[in-house]
Amino acid sequence: GAGVSQTPSNKVTEKGKYVELRCDPISGHTALYWYRQSLGQGPEFLIYFQGTGAADDSGLPNDRFFAVRPEGSVSTLKIQRTERGDSAVYLCASSLWGRDTQYFGPGTRLTVL
Amino acid sequence: DQQVKQNSPSLSVQEGRISILNCDYTNSMFDYFLWYKKYPAEGPTFLISISSIKDKNEDGRFTVFLNKSAKHLSLHIVPSQPGDSAVYFCAASATNNNDMRFGAGTRLTVKP
Repeated sequence: GAGVSQTPSNKVTEKGKYVELRCDPISGHTALYWYRQSLGQGPEFLIYFQGTGAADDSGLPNDRFFAVRPEGSVSTLKIQRTERGDSAVYLCASSLWGRDTQYFGPGTRLTVL
Repeated sequence: DQQVKQNSPSLSVQEGRISILNCDYTNSMFDYFLWYKKYPAEGPTFLISISSIKDKNEDGRFTVFLNKSAKHLSLHIVPSQPGDSAVYFCAASATNNNDMRFGAGTRLTVKP
């Protein structure tokens, strides 16, 4: 079956711009996670959705970052007023339920110039 | 704070030999541990996991060992194959906490 997909695969933007990153989880998976991976580091947790609600957003670095999952399936990570430090690979993962094995998408590489 | 540490950024082994990747953690609340493998331009792929009620879990060529008193786990790959060359991430989570903490990864190179 189809795995987790993320679009776009690459995004280049200018400092101060707004970006949206999309994640399509595996069908039927109720839990969805966003991570950020900087060069030479492991994935860093950002936010976790159970269904439509953000069950844990403690990893979001500041209020420029926001994520939604309005219908409990596709999720969008939104970054306002992007900064060069936001450059990273943004990974999405989904699992059948919370604490089950997470399956990752290929990531979106965001570059802020 | 780095709650999950992989102190070896890289490891090189000969094909057919054993690869041992190590991971240490500091949070005693962690009770579920996973290893992920990552190829370039792909997301991490789940490899094997272990619950804190066990000290060993085996799946084919892959075995994960957990030493709770030392807060240490390791991944053994026997025999190593060139296709195992990738970055391996150790991850951990705690009950009632759905986010996973990842180590920085170890790049394994298996030479033919």
